[in-house]
Amino acid sequence: KAGVTQTPRYLIKTRGQQVTLSCSPISGHRSVSWYQQTPGQGLQFLFEYFSETQRNKGNFPGRFSGRQFSNSRSEMNVSTLELGDSALYLCASSPPDGTYEQYFGPGTRLTVT
Amino acid sequence: AQKITQTQPGMFVQEKEAVTLDCTYDTSDPSYGLFWYKQPSSGEMIFLIYQGSYDQQNATEGRYSLNFQKARKSANLVISASQLGDSAMYFCAMRITSYDKVIFGPGTSLSVIP
Repeated sequence: KAGVTQTPRYLIKTRGQQVTLSCSPISGHRSVSWYQQTPGQGLQFLFEYFSETQRNKGNFPGRFSGRQFSNSRSEMNVSTLELGDSALYLCASSPPDGTYEQYFGPGTRLTVT
Repeated sequence: AQKITQTQPGMFVQEKEAVTLDCTYDTSDPSYGLFWYKQPSSGEMIFLIYQGSYDQQNATEGRYSLNFQKARKSANLVISASQLGDSAMYFCAMRITSYDKVIFGPGTSLSVIP
């Protein structure tokens, strides 16, 4: 069974631009969570989607948004990029058995210049 | 407030020795799960082990075991027979059922010395 995939793996953007990151969960997983990882703040929860609905949201500004499609693939969007948005963005999917185990993708490393 | 504390920013261990990575958590919710993840330099987070708050026995997965002391609110990870490939960042995390978000600790960097 294929793991969680994230595209692109690396991205360089300029301040003020917007970016869309994509995540394909493990087949059969319907829950997708997004995290931001930075050296200063560590791993921070962005949001979680389940069956195309946002189930939970972390403490991030409205510039960060996401969505999930009927095939469980998820995208996150960051508008009006700031230098502080430079980070590793990790996506994780969870099986439907309620164990809360999360399987992470390799991440997208975003650099904002 | 819910919080995970990992007091060891960095640790060294000799190959083939056992090592314990500390994790303490704070929650007043009775229902929660505790996780450990490994993050090699490649960046991908790898799930290692899970312990539910109502589980009576400590979780074990191969060379990994979780020393769960509920009264002390600690969930230490024990890695037996360390290998060079164990060198990585290790994160302790908690998911509280009612809160329904996963909270991560700051991580511990483990270096295995040959």
